Amino acid sequence: DAKTTQPNSMESNEEEPVHLPCNHSTISGTDYIHWYRQLPSQGPEYVIHGLTSNVNNRMASLAIAEDRKSSTLILHRATLRDAAVYYCILRGFGGNQFYFGTGTSLTVIP
Amino acid sequence: EAGVTQFPSHSVIEKGQTVTLRCDPISGHDNLYWYRRVMGKEIKFLLHFVKESKQDESGMPNNRFLAERTGGTYSTLKVQPAELEDSGVYFCASSQAVPGLADLGYNEQFFGPGTRLTVL
Repeated sequence: DAKTTQPNSMESNEEEPVHLPCNHSTISGTDYIHWYRQLPSQGPEYVIHGLTSNVNNRMASLAIAEDRKSSTLILHRATLRDAAVYYCILRGFGGNQFYFGTGTSLTVIP
Repeated sequence: EAGVTQFPSHSVIEKGQTVTLRCDPISGHDNLYWYRRVMGKEIKFLLHFVKESKQDESGMPNNRFLAERTGGTYSTLKVQPAELEDSGVYFCASSQAVPGLADLGYNEQFFGPGTRLTVL
């Protein structure tokens, strides 16, 4: 599976939108883009995933570049509970294991 | 519905001892995975079970690690003998086997809270 690159850390003010970028320049045509997050002292939890089109769910939105070499996780209104490490993961067709990168540690400022 | 549970939450052992970690996946989930994060590094895949069969164990670091999933329900991960570098957090995850969807790249994994292993 291809690798991903994310900033080590980001900060956001509470109730403001947050855009978390991820570069995956070596992505293949069948790789899905998954985002997970890990809250303190917990295991990772699913946030969202997509292939080519932008995706929305109750937690976040995922914007995927047209060339698919980058994507952005959007939290529309950051809350203190969103403080976590966010992982951008590529998962290949038929593959089951996830390859975690270093992730982005998000700090939400009250 | 209960999530993935892991036991113990924390284990402290001495180098050379044996430790067994347990994972109870979500009921009905055929897929079970083990991951670990050691020394503040990235979370790394260890292995994947489909029911009781090992589907992929390419991430197992060496033969001191033995994973089992008898009966296709809970799984154990034994480290024998433990070494200092085995210290870290061991995560278990499970997912449903949804025909077709797994091949389409959709395979949400539900993670447990992890077991923190400290080898002294």
